[in-house]
Amino acid sequence: GQQLNQSPQSMFIQEGEDVSMNCTSSSIFNTWLWYKQDPGEGPVLLIALYKAGELTSNGRLTAQFGITRKDSFLNISASIPSDVGIYFCAGQETSGSRLTFGEGTQLTVNP
Amino acid sequence: GAVVSQHPSWVICKSGTSVKIECRSLDFQATTMFWYRQFPKQSLMLMATSNEGSKATYEQGVEKDKFLINHASLTLSTLTVTSAHPEDSSFYICSAPAGGGPFYGYTFGSGTRLTVV
Repeated sequence: GQQLNQSPQSMFIQEGEDVSMNCTSSSIFNTWLWYKQDPGEGPVLLIALYKAGELTSNGRLTAQFGITRKDSFLNISASIPSDVGIYFCAGQETSGSRLTFGEGTQLTVNP
Repeated sequence: GAVVSQHPSWVICKSGTSVKIECRSLDFQATTMFWYRQFPKQSLMLMATSNEGSKATYEQGVEKDKFLINHASLTLSTLTVTSAHPEDSSFYICSAPAGGGPFYGYTFGSGTRLTVV
């Protein structure tokens, strides 16, 4: 089956620093999604990407859909303490199909 | 925006009993909903796809007789964990295509923490 490799698994940074995480896939996806999950909560959609090469921003977050359709990255600029959480990438082969999730990146921001 | 409401947020039950978890799309209709299970420090694992008006589709290794799914209306899907055992303790999360269509990402419920004692 499909596999999504997400890295890094965890990050410890100082407030104000920029963060980058990425996902690579063994197969092509037509949609890439980035979610954030706080403890005891469901994931919340941050950014959705629907086109190869697409670069999309949401406030301090920027994500790109790789040209090969097999990768995506998420950048967070000027991190703040509330950015703490687990970030998941997710890929979707075709519209309406299931999501395949990466293993998550645990982000810790030290004030 | 699209909201998925999940209830209860947590439940403790005795071994051998059954527990029902509800997932509702509040401001949109969802012909499809997804049920996930998440163990501590792990990613989300898809258990089954719930289809309105028809049988659910289960992932390999998920016991359909143990995890009963009913999608009786366009806004409600339920997951019933039957004859629960301690190993069923986990975080269960439902999801639906936001806005009812596939182009807005998938919206997740807030999850249900199940503890079987």
